[in-house]
Amino acid sequence: AQKVTQAQTEISVVEKEDVTLDCVYETRDTTYYLFWYKQPPSGELVFLIRRNSFDEQNEISGRYSWNFQKSTSSFNFTITASQVVDSAVYFCALGASGGSYIPTFGRGTSLIVHP
Amino acid sequence: DAGVIQSPRHEVTEMGQEVTLRCKPISGHDYLFWYRQTMMRGLELLIYFNNNVPIDDSGMPEDRFSAKMPNASFSTLKIQPSEPRDSAVYFCASSLGTSWETQYFGPGTRLLVL
Repeated sequence: AQKVTQAQTEISVVEKEDVTLDCVYETRDTTYYLFWYKQPPSGELVFLIRRNSFDEQNEISGRYSWNFQKSTSSFNFTITASQVVDSAVYFCALGASGGSYIPTFGRGTSLIVHP
Repeated sequence: DAGVIQSPRHEVTEMGQEVTLRCKPISGHDYLFWYRQTMMRGLELLIYFNNNVPIDDSGMPEDRFSAKMPNASFSTLKIQPSEPRDSAVYFCASSLGTSWETQYFGPGTRLLVL
């Protein structure tokens, strides 16, 4: 069985603060993908990243960075110098080989960035 | 490119009626996905296609739901008969190449079944 836990339901920060969104996953499979998606207040979904289980290198894309740690089954997402436009719900997901890589989503973390 | 197009954007119907949701993927994309988002169950993948062929429909909740992709530029998700618990936002997404690569989502269809 696959499971994704996003323990932080809501995070509130002030603009320019750094913020980390936690994602912990469970799977017995050794081959899997991890994903992050963004859902702004307008409601659309934006695919942010896909990582495979064999690539533990951290990824950086502008102000966004992802820390993948197999030892703790975590795939955390950090936004550096947050901006109001970062306000959104962020979803972490896991797709494992045993489940044909069909993603199982976490419940999401609502990030509110105040000016 | 216009992106993934979904219609209608909003649909209100009465229980028992047939509902058809439509999706036009990005031209050239060979994977198409249907997702559903509800407060109770969160985000779920319902079904996905590769080159118009359904690959996995294990997320389709029951026989009342059906999806088709008659050609590379059009897909439908049908609910017949609809029930109040089908009320949700339904997203269509498409991607190019290997599945689970970058997916581009449509704006979603917000369905309310009374």
